[in-house]
Amino acid sequence: NAGVTQTPKFRVLKTGQSMTLLCAQDMNHEYMYWYRQDPGMGLRLIHYSVGEGTTAKGEVPDGYNVSRLKKQNFLLGLESAAPSQTSVYFCASSYTPVGRNTIYFGEGSWLTVV
Amino acid sequence: KQEVTQIPAALSVPEGENLVLNCSFTDSAIYNLQWFRQDPGKGLTSLLLIQSSQREQTSGRLNASLDKSSGRSTLYIAASQPGDSATYLCARADDKIIFGKGTRLHILP
Repeated sequence: NAGVTQTPKFRVLKTGQSMTLLCAQDMNHEYMYWYRQDPGMGLRLIHYSVGEGTTAKGEVPDGYNVSRLKKQNFLLGLESAAPSQTSVYFCASSYTPVGRNTIYFGEGSWLTVV
Repeated sequence: KQEVTQIPAALSVPEGENLVLNCSFTDSAIYNLQWFRQDPGKGLTSLLLIQSSQREQTSGRLNASLDKSSGRSTLYIAASQPGDSATYLCARADDKIIFGKGTRLHILP
């Protein structure tokens, strides 16, 4: 059981380049999330999805786009990377936030924009 | 705006002591409150989840409480061990799951 898998794990981008981070979960979860983590800032929610075909903005959505075309995949795109987007990105998933359903995290993707 | 605040930001205690980490949150209309552990360079591991209808949850040496009316949760760690050294994060959950900035805990051998 792979759980939540993020690819790539490490990437260096030049300013202005574009890229896509892929998150895949094999637990049939409805909800999926993308967070970024910066020193001293905790995890900040970028975008989230409450089901296939849906997306919604989180706390820090600017500069990012997402898509949830398949239930098991949640893609995070950077159209024109900026140094301020240097961060560790975490994907997570859960059945629903209601009740006893906990959230499962991927191992993180380290992105550096130079 | 939904916010989660954790105090203290960092804590160092000698091995064997009991300790309390604090979490406060705005907007009490939550589904649940969760506590996570994060080791350096790693992802997050769920420790305890307290549903909105519950007051506390226990797992081993860990006990988490929830007071929705005051917007507060605490994580109590009994008989701390060096292996407990990590960053502990709390998160409030409705459709969005919002995290605090965490408490960096260091247990001194």
